[in-house]
Amino acid sequence: QVQLQQWGAGLLKPSETLSLTCAVYGGSFSGYFWNWIRQPPGQGLEWIGEISHSETTDYNPSLKSRVTISLDTPKNQFSLKLTSLTAADTGVYYCARHELGSDSAAFDIWGQGTMVTVSS
Amino acid sequence: QAGLTQPPSVSKGLRQTATLTCTGNSNNVGNLGAAWLQQHQGHPPKLLFYRNNDRPSGISERFSASRSGNTASLTITGLQPEDEADYYCSSWDSSLITWVFGGGTKLTVL
Repeated sequence: QVQLQQWGAGLLKPSETLSLTCAVYGGSFSGYFWNWIRQPPGQGLEWIGEISHSETTDYNPSLKSRVTISLDTPKNQFSLKLTSLTAADTGVYYCARHELGSDSAAFDIWGQGTMVTVSS
Repeated sequence: QAGLTQPPSVSKGLRQTATLTCTGNSNNVGNLGAAWLQQHQGHPPKLLFYRNNDRPSGISERFSASRSGNTASLTITGLQPEDEADYYCSSWDSSLITWVFGGGTKLTVL
C-alpha cells in the first residue's frame, strides 16, 4: 500500500522560502501526478501544483511565480519550494497523488500534513 | 480560494440521511464530475469518491455520490457519530487549468 511521508521546516519568517519534501513508500512515480495542497487555519483546501513522473509540472496560476515542484526519482521523493513568504502562506501543507491520464482522477493518497507558520 | 460552491454547514440527526451539494460550472463539475473528500479535525482528507462516482475500497456503502448537470451530490444514509466531519468536493477546471475545491461543508450529527 502506497504511503506518503512529508517533512520540512515549520516556522519561517516573512520573505523566506518554504521547503517541503514528500517521500513515496510502497510504489513508484510512474502513472501519477504528485501534488502539493495547502489549507489555511480554519479554511478550505487550495491546490498549489503538481509534477508527473516525466517532470511535467502544472501550477496554480495564483502561486505560479513563487512555486517550484521538483522530483528526485532515485530517492522516490518530490519537493515543494515556495518563495517570498507572507503570513497568508500560513497553514497545513499536504502532499497527495492522483492518477495520470484518467478522467476520473482524484487525490486518493495523502501525506500526514505539515503545519507551516510564517511569522516575524 | 473556493472554486466550487458548497453550503458551509449541514445538521442532521443520528440515523438520518444527509445530502451535501457541490455546484460548479461546465468547465469543471459539469465536464468531468467532482470527487468527494472527508476530513476529520486534525487529519488529512480521505477520498470518498472518484470523479466518476466510483467508491474506493473500504468506503462504507452508506455513502453514495451522483451528479446532475453542474451540481454534484454526496448522500450519507444512516448517519453515525463518526460521520461528523468536513466534506470537500474537488474537480479539474479545464478553463482555469487548475484543480479547484469547494469551500467545504461541516456536517454535524445531532
